[in-house]
Amino acid sequence: EAGVVQSPRYKIIEKKQPVAFWCNPISGHNTLYWYLQNLGQGPELLIRYENEEAVDDSQLPKDRFSAERLKGVDSTLKIQPAELGDSAVYLCASSLDSGRFHGELFFGEGSRLTVL
Amino acid sequence: AQTVTQSQPEMSVQEAETVTLSCTYDTSENNYYLFWYKQPPSRQMILVIRQEAYKQQNATENRFSVNFQKAAKSFSLKISDSQLGDTAMYFCAFMIMNRDDKIIFGKGTRLHILP
Repeated sequence: EAGVVQSPRYKIIEKKQPVAFWCNPISGHNTLYWYLQNLGQGPELLIRYENEEAVDDSQLPKDRFSAERLKGVDSTLKIQPAELGDSAVYLCASSLDSGRFHGELFFGEGSRLTVL
Repeated sequence: AQTVTQSQPEMSVQEAETVTLSCTYDTSENNYYLFWYKQPPSRQMILVIRQEAYKQQNATENRFSVNFQKAAKSFSLKISDSQLGDTAMYFCAFMIMNRDDKIIFGKGTRLHILP
């Protein structure tokens, strides 16, 4: 069974440029998460989707970050324009839906962003 | 607000030894989960072990076990017979049951298993 797939694995851009990350969750997982992981820190939730609905985006900096999950499967996280402080790893995770979820997140390998 | 604290940024231990990673948390809730997640270098983060707060018995998964002290709000991970493949970042995490499915992670402990 395929795991959570993310792309690109690495991205280097100059500040003020846009960037997008893509995530395909495990088949059958209706819940999808985007996490931000700064160097030496634990993951911090940016946004959580239940199917195509963003049910928690309270930590998403909406002035420059956006996300979508149009068909309730794969998702895209966009940053426009990128700032130096956005350099981090962006993790996507998926899980069973609420009610069957007991805390097990399935993570992708992450997309490492470097902003110059 | 819930917080998770890992006071050991980095640890090293010889292969085959036993190592204990510390975690404390703060919450006013009574029903919650605690977790240890493992993030190997350049690989996906995976769940190692889970503890339900209502269970008095400490969770065990093969070489991994926890020492859950609810009154002290302590949740340590013990790795027995450590192996080179145990080298990773280990994150302690917390989630309130039946609330918002929001997992809060600690800052992590980088564990090196030395040959």
